[in-house]
Amino acid sequence: EAGVTQFPSHSVIEKGQTVTLRCDPISGHDNLYWYRRVMGKEIKFLLHFVKESKQDESGMPNNRFLAERTGGTYSTLKVQPAELEDSGVYFCASSQTVNNEQFFGPGTRLTVL
Amino acid sequence: GDSVTQMEGPVTLSEEAFLTINCTYTATGYPSLFWYVQYPGEGLQLLLKATKADDKGSNKGFEATYRKETTSFHLEKGSVQVSDSAVYFCALSGGVRADSWGKLQFGAGTQVVVTP
Repeated sequence: EAGVTQFPSHSVIEKGQTVTLRCDPISGHDNLYWYRRVMGKEIKFLLHFVKESKQDESGMPNNRFLAERTGGTYSTLKVQPAELEDSGVYFCASSQTVNNEQFFGPGTRLTVL
Repeated sequence: GDSVTQMEGPVTLSEEAFLTINCTYTATGYPSLFWYVQYPGEGLQLLLKATKADDKGSNKGFEATYRKETTSFHLEKGSVQVSDSAVYFCALSGGVRADSWGKLQFGAGTQVVVTP
C-alpha cells in the first residue's frame, strides 16, 4: 500500500510568487492534515480536512494560505503571495479516523528568497 | 493552550550509550502522547504512543511512560545504535476539548547523533 506522498519535494521561489503544494493521502483515509515546521522549530498544525470539508483551520497563519481538497482525495496548499517567513517544511498526514494513527508524508521543503 | 516542551539538541552519543530525551506537556484533561521519529530524508514515523496515565509505550527498544503527576513522557533507550540517528518529536493530541482531537501538538524536536 502506498504511503502519503507529497509534491514537490523541494521548491525555491521568490518573494511575491505563488506556490502550490500537493498531498496524496493513503487511499481510503478520510482525514487529511497539513503541518509546517519553520526554522527548526516545532511542527505546527495548519488545518484538518474530513473528506472534502475543512474540520479545523485554526492553524492557518493568514489569508495568503488556501487549502483545498476537492473530491475528498488529494489536497493542495497554495501560498499566494509567498513571503520570506513562509519558508519551512510542509508536512501532510492522513488517518482513517480522527483517533487513528496519522501517517506522514516526507514533506515539501519551501524556500522563499 | 496545549503545549509540548522537549529538550534541545543536538544530543551526541556513542554507540551503545543510554539515551534519554525529556518531554513535558501542558494540556487540559487526558491527552494521548506520542513520540515521532524522522530519519534523514524521510517523513515522520510514529515510534510509540500512550493513551492514558501510567501506560508505557515501547517500540524498537525505545520506551516512554505517561506520567500524569509530572506531566512528562520521557523517551529512553538502553543501548543506541548508529541507525538511531534521527530527529525525535514529542507530541500530544486530544484531551477534554473536542477541537483538540486529531490534530497533533508537537515539541521542537531533538536531533540525536550516534557515533560509532
